[in-house]
Amino acid sequence: QLQLQESGPGLVKPSETLSLTCTVSGGSITDTAYYWGWVRQTPGKGLEWIGTIYYSGSTYYNPSLKSRVTISVDTSKIQFSLKLTSVTAADTAVYYCARVTPGCVNCAFDYWGRGTLVTVSS
Amino acid sequence: QSALTQPPSASGSPGQSVTISCTGTSSDVGVYNYVSWYQQHPGKAPKLKIYEVSKRPSGVPDRFSGSKSGNTASLTVSGLQAEDEADYYCSSYAGSGVVFGGGTKLTVL
Repeated sequence: QLQLQESGPGLVKPSETLSLTCTVSGGSITDTAYYWGWVRQTPGKGLEWIGTIYYSGSTYYNPSLKSRVTISVDTSKIQFSLKLTSVTAADTAVYYCARVTPGCVNCAFDYWGRGTLVTVSS
Repeated sequence: QSALTQPPSASGSPGQSVTISCTGTSSDVGVYNYVSWYQQHPGKAPKLKIYEVSKRPSGVPDRFSGSKSGNTASLTVSGLQAEDEADYYCSSYAGSGVVFGGGTKLTVL
């Protein structure tokens, strides 16, 4: 059974960089059928797509976040990572990593991690 | 990319059917058959219920169905059960990106 697990600091100071890692188990991050993505959910609000990556390193980013986001993949460690620079309180959210359904870059997310709450505060 | 529009709330009694709408534009819902629906219980991760407008992942009961007409997609939950009470989010492929709806809270009366 595929499992995804987010990890990283739960508290980040304003203007600093948020860094999270997603570890994939029960499946291969190098499986050519799948893309992998990050989605966040602000407290009490809806979902927001952050970006998606392929094992080869190809990336797709939300235009509203593109200038601050970097998603990378480490196939040897079966992990992919998210970096969001110059964070503000508006970036406080639960961050999820997820797998994209096969055969499409950003069609749907079929497996999700449990999510990790990141709070931006001094 | 603008968020898709969903009603903030919907409700129905056990056994009844309820339909939730999701309105987009000719740049997302209207042009791509890649509309998805997610169910989210409090404190849990979203769970995929419908993808590619009307397909159900393995294990999702056929009480959940999806459709699309023009720029509006719909999720219908038939034979409502108490466990269906949750937030529901739609999403659409939008030309290399993804856009989500604001969510609908479904209450089972």
